[in-house]
Amino acid sequence: AQSVTQLGSHVSVSEGALVLLRCNYSSSVPPYLFWYVQYPNQGLQLLLKYTSAATLVKGINGFEAEFKKSETSFHLTKPSAHMSDAAEYFCAVKEVAGAGSYQLTFGKGTKLSVIP
Amino acid sequence: SQTIHQWPATLVQPVGSPLSLECTVEGTSNPNLYWYRQAAGRGLQLLFYSVGIGQISSEVPQNLSASRPQDRQFILSSKKLLLSDSGFYLCAWSATGAGTDTQYFGPGTRLTVL
Repeated sequence: AQSVTQLGSHVSVSEGALVLLRCNYSSSVPPYLFWYVQYPNQGLQLLLKYTSAATLVKGINGFEAEFKKSETSFHLTKPSAHMSDAAEYFCAVKEVAGAGSYQLTFGKGTKLSVIP
Repeated sequence: SQTIHQWPATLVQPVGSPLSLECTVEGTSNPNLYWYRQAAGRGLQLLFYSVGIGQISSEVPQNLSASRPQDRQFILSSKKLLLSDSGFYLCAWSATGAGTDTQYFGPGTRLTVL
């Protein structure tokens, strides 16, 4: 079974600083990987996804992630943090669930705080 | 465009009471549907998924059940709630067919069992 590990349950950065949220995956097949963002008391919104095309994936709100097979990583970055980036971020890997469907296996999330 | 609705948004229920949470999707046909639970510090846990009307797969044994009475309606139920059922419940949908690999989430229902 596939799995993801997010290093750091809480990350704090200053406004304008680099954001780096770490995700490592475990998969026996080429993975499909996702990053979602969740604002308080809201659902999850897709930031970006990797589906075996370009290894550097650009998403919404200035975020991007790089797939590194040798490191089994899919870290999320943003060059300059904004106050509005404060949220919880989830990394996920696609896994076949059977019956023509699939499931997403999520990491435990990283809560990002942005300090003014 | 597609939209996904969940209600109620918040719910406070006593232990032992029944539960019914509803999820509906608009703007698409024959979606795959999912129920997740998010408990504090535990990430998201897939509870049920459905590939069609009346077709429900359970991922975790528990006192919850799911039903799909219509193509774009997904219901999460319980006959008797436990304290451990408290959490944030999220419904999601994805399209069916080749290349469909993104799940889209609803706004969620915050359930507190007292």
